[in-house]
This record gives sequence, structure tokens and C-alpha cells, in this order.
Amino acid sequence: KQEVTQIPAALSVPEGENLVLNCSFTDSAIYNLQWFRQDPGKGLTSLLLIQSSQREQTSGRLNASLDKSSGRSTLYIAASQPGDSATYLCAVSASGYSTLTFGKGTMLLVSP
Amino acid sequence: GAVVSQHPSRVICKSGTSVKIECRSLDFQATTMFWYRQFPKKSLMLMATSNEGSKATYEQGVEKDKFLINHASLTLSTLTVTSAHPEDSSFYICSASKGGNTGELFFGEGSRLTVL
Repeated sequence: KQEVTQIPAALSVPEGENLVLNCSFTDSAIYNLQWFRQDPGKGLTSLLLIQSSQREQTSGRLNASLDKSSGRSTLYIAASQPGDSATYLCAVSASGYSTLTFGKGTMLLVSP
Repeated sequence: GAVVSQHPSRVICKSGTSVKIECRSLDFQATTMFWYRQFPKKSLMLMATSNEGSKATYEQGVEKDKFLINHASLTLSTLTVTSAHPEDSSFYICSASKGGNTGELFFGEGSRLTVL
């Protein structure tokens, strides 16, 4: 059974810092990995999708890497802003038609 | 784009009543939709997979008679919580796949259910 772990559970940083969120998964036979953002009381917003054959994806200040063999992914956020404050979720899927297995998320607070 | 909309975003009901939550894919057709439940400080828990025109597939431990799922069209799936109890209070989120081979899923805004 796939298990996804995210470290740290919570992170508080001052504005402007670069930061790294970590995600690990127990079964390396994944199809893809997605990073999501969730604001309090809201749904999920897809940030980045990495296919199993890819090593990284970038979108603006966000960069996600994937090391499938070691079962790890990182989400790098450059020059953090207060608006980045949210919970970040990592999820993996076993196939293109299967659902996702989620981690518990990292709650990020960026202070002005 | 790929927009998934849920309605209502918040609902409060009395114990014993039934509540229906709708999930719509606004700009694409979704043959498969997924329903999740989210507990505080916990991972999203998959409840069921909803396939258009057929019965939903429920995860182990999820009562199919309690949580009725209907996927009547390619853009609409509904979750009905029957005879709701306070322990059913939770955040329910749906997601939909556009198809293709990326496997990317798009999520609704979620629905907060409070059962008094």
C-alpha cells in the first residue's frame, strides 16, 4: 500500500526566504506526482504535475523535483511571499486512470 | 482550462436529514470523478470513484448506502449523505480527470458539511 509522507508538517518563515518542502513515498512505481496548494476551507489548486519519466517541473517561483528511484520529491519556493501561506499537499498516482494518494501536507506561514 | 465546481460550499443540516452535494466539470467532460473526505490535519481520504453511467466504486470502509453517488452525465456527479449524523460533519472534495495520459486531476472548491 502506497504511503506518502510530508516533512515538515508546519513551517514558518519570514518573507523573502527560499524554502524547500519534502515529500516521500514508499512505492516507487508511480505514474505521476502532483503538488497542490490548499487555502483554509478551500479546495485544492494544482501547482505542478511531474510525470514519472520527468525529473522536474517549474512554474514561476515554484520548482518541483522528482527522484522516483529513491521515492522523493521536493517543492522549492523561491523568494517566498505572505500570499504563499497555505497548506501544500503532495500526491502520487499509480496509473493515468487511478486516483491519488495524498500526504498530510505542510502548513506554510510566510510572515511579512 | 479545467474548472471543477462544487455546490454548496457550506451546508448545515439537522441529524437525520439528507444532503446532496454536486460536482460539475465546467469546461470539460469527465468520465471519472472522485469523491474525497478531509479530516482536520489528516490526508484526504478517497471515498469512491464515480464513473459516468455506472455504479460507483467505494473504498473499503465507506458505506455505500450512507453515501450515495450518482454520475448521471459527463459533467455532473452528486454525493448524497443520507440520514446524516454529527460524525458525518466534514469537508468533502470532488475531483475530475480530463482524460488523456497525463493523469492530472482537477479539484472542486470543497463542501463543508455540518450536521447538528
